Amino acid sequence: TQLLEQSPQFLSIQEGENLTVYCNSSSVFSSLQWYRQEPGEGPVLLVTVVTGGEVKKLKRLTFQFGDARKDSSLHITAAQPGDTGLYLCAHNYGQNFVFGPGTRLSVLP
Amino acid sequence: DTGVSQDPRHKITKRGQNVTFRCDPISEHNRLYWYRQTLGQGPEFLTYFQNEAQLEKSRLLSDRFSAERPKGSFSTLEIQRTEQGDSAMYLCASSSPLTVLSGYTFGSGTRLTVV
Repeated sequence: TQLLEQSPQFLSIQEGENLTVYCNSSSVFSSLQWYRQEPGEGPVLLVTVVTGGEVKKLKRLTFQFGDARKDSSLHITAAQPGDTGLYLCAHNYGQNFVFGPGTRLSVLP
Repeated sequence: DTGVSQDPRHKITKRGQNVTFRCDPISEHNRLYWYRQTLGQGPEFLTYFQNEAQLEKSRLLSDRFSAERPKGSFSTLEIQRTEQGDSAMYLCASSSPLTVLSGYTFGSGTRLTVV
């Protein structure tokens, strides 16, 4: 299993601030996914990145896949309390996905 | 179709009891997965079905765990002789072969507490 590391583990910020969270590995991936999970719910897919250097935007969220396809970042602009949750990255491994431990984000009003 | 449904949402059981969870995937998805998630961790793969065939099982799936998908539609996950270490969120997800690389659709999970 190719392990994913996520940083920071926890992040607490004020509404309106910007933030970046990271997903890293020593392995090369064909694709990488980002999910957001709210307390008591299952993860919800946000985006899939497949090309090295790829940048995808989803409203205030910007996802980047590293040139070497070993890492990815998620940047949130002007964070809102509704962005609060656990952000997970995952990669395809055989017929299933392997998840990182997540970054738990709390956006305070 | 409203997505992946899991039942029950919460289950509290005494140690040593058996429990069974149900998952109803998105109807056109032929692949179904079970994951387990403990506090502060990401989901960990347990097992995977394609139609009614169970094609892969993790080492996490001890002999006390069994999963079925008898008609290739809904699935059940049974835990026998529960232990406190089984306390976790059990997540079900589904996908179709065309979208497998695009990620899963997860259900809301069943939170198991073993007391």
